[in-house]
Amino acid sequence: GAVVSQHPSWVICKSGTSVKIECRSLDFQATTMFWYRQFPKQSLMLMATSNEGSKATYEQGVEKDKFLINHASLTLSTLTVTSAHPEDSSFYICSAEEWGQYNEQFFGPGTRLTVL
Amino acid sequence: AQKVTQAQTEISVVEKEDVTLDCVYETRDTTYYLFWYKQPPSGELVFLIRRNSFDEQNEISGRYSWNFQKSTSSFNFTITASQVVDSAVYFCALSEAPRTDKLIFGTGTRLQVFP
Repeated sequence: GAVVSQHPSWVICKSGTSVKIECRSLDFQATTMFWYRQFPKQSLMLMATSNEGSKATYEQGVEKDKFLINHASLTLSTLTVTSAHPEDSSFYICSAEEWGQYNEQFFGPGTRLTVL
Repeated sequence: AQKVTQAQTEISVVEKEDVTLDCVYETRDTTYYLFWYKQPPSGELVFLIRRNSFDEQNEISGRYSWNFQKSTSSFNFTITASQVVDSAVYFCALSEAPRTDKLIFGTGTRLQVFP
């Protein structure tokens, strides 16, 4: 089956630093990847959609300069939280859509970010 | 506006009981998709089902079954003979044309199955 990995699975950082989270599709090519954010005991909120080789599309209210997304290849997308603050602490989940399999997303295991 | 409502925040059952998780959706479009995902304590979302708006047939997969009723805008999920391993948060989600890849999630229902 289609597998999506995320790295790291958890990270703790100091306020003001930047953190990069990787999302990889391990056994398929993903033309589109999605980044979600989930606060404790809450739902997933789509942050942005990234397509390989083009700029990401951000949802309303998501700061694109704070959450930098790069989809450099068909198997890798990265989310960089720049100048992280405690309010950025959350569970970040990516998903990937397999090329040719429109509307079926495979989710990664998530990355828990804690900003001190 | 598109919206997914899961009114049940938490449900607790004893093993072998049947349990139904409710999902009510709102959409302006006639073309849309409905999904159910399971999120165990590990955090990874597990895809359970996808249903398009033109297919109102109910579905059964082992102990899982889904009841899609357009008349009431509901897409309910039933687990028969629940097991401890079913304990998780279950999310219902909606996507609609033209962005059928954009998932709108409900707030989730936490199911606890006790032995």
